[in-house]
Amino acid sequence: KQEVTQIPAALSVPEGENLVLNCSFTDSAIYNLQWFRQDPGKGLTSLLLIQSSQREQTSGRLNASLDKSSGRSTLYIAASQPGDSATYLCAVSWVNTGFQKLVFGTGTRLLVSP
Amino acid sequence: GAVVSQHPSRVICKSGTSVKIECRSLDFQATTMFWYRQFPKKSLMLMATSNEGSKATYEQGVEKDKFLINHASLTLSTLTVTSAHPEDSSFYICSAREAGTQETQYFGPGTRLLVL
Repeated sequence: KQEVTQIPAALSVPEGENLVLNCSFTDSAIYNLQWFRQDPGKGLTSLLLIQSSQREQTSGRLNASLDKSSGRSTLYIAASQPGDSATYLCAVSWVNTGFQKLVFGTGTRLLVSP
Repeated sequence: GAVVSQHPSRVICKSGTSVKIECRSLDFQATTMFWYRQFPKKSLMLMATSNEGSKATYEQGVEKDKFLINHASLTLSTLTVTSAHPEDSSFYICSAREAGTQETQYFGPGTRLLVL
């Protein structure tokens, strides 16, 4: 069964810290991996998308890496700010189920305190 | 950027009634829309894939007679929860894929359904 797991489930850090969120997935034959942000009671905002052939993607203070062979991805957030507080979701699509079908992890709830 | 809206944002209904949720792509045409369900502190679970002009494809375990999906135009898909029961209470989120593009899904803000 193709599954996505995220650790930790919750994380609390003071403002300014660099932090790493982890995502692991079963079955390395992925199509792509995406990181999303979800604010409480809201929809999802796409942060970064990594194709299976890529090792990392960067956007501003965010950097996502992908290691297919070990079934892992990390989201690195530099110089965290209170506005970064949200739930971060990792989603994977696999080759055999098509690029459209996303399987989501349970998310990491991040709280950045001033 | 591409915007997807959902209506209503919240709905409270009595057990046994039917509830319709709309998902609209506001500034692009969406040949494919997706419906997800999210329980509190749980992840999103894909319910069905909706293609314009054809029947929706439901994921295993999702009752198609319970969750009716219609994708009648390139900008609108609807999810109707028929004869709703308290266990149907959840957060429903739609997403849309722009026609001619392959991968990016744009997500709506979600609809919170509470069945009393």
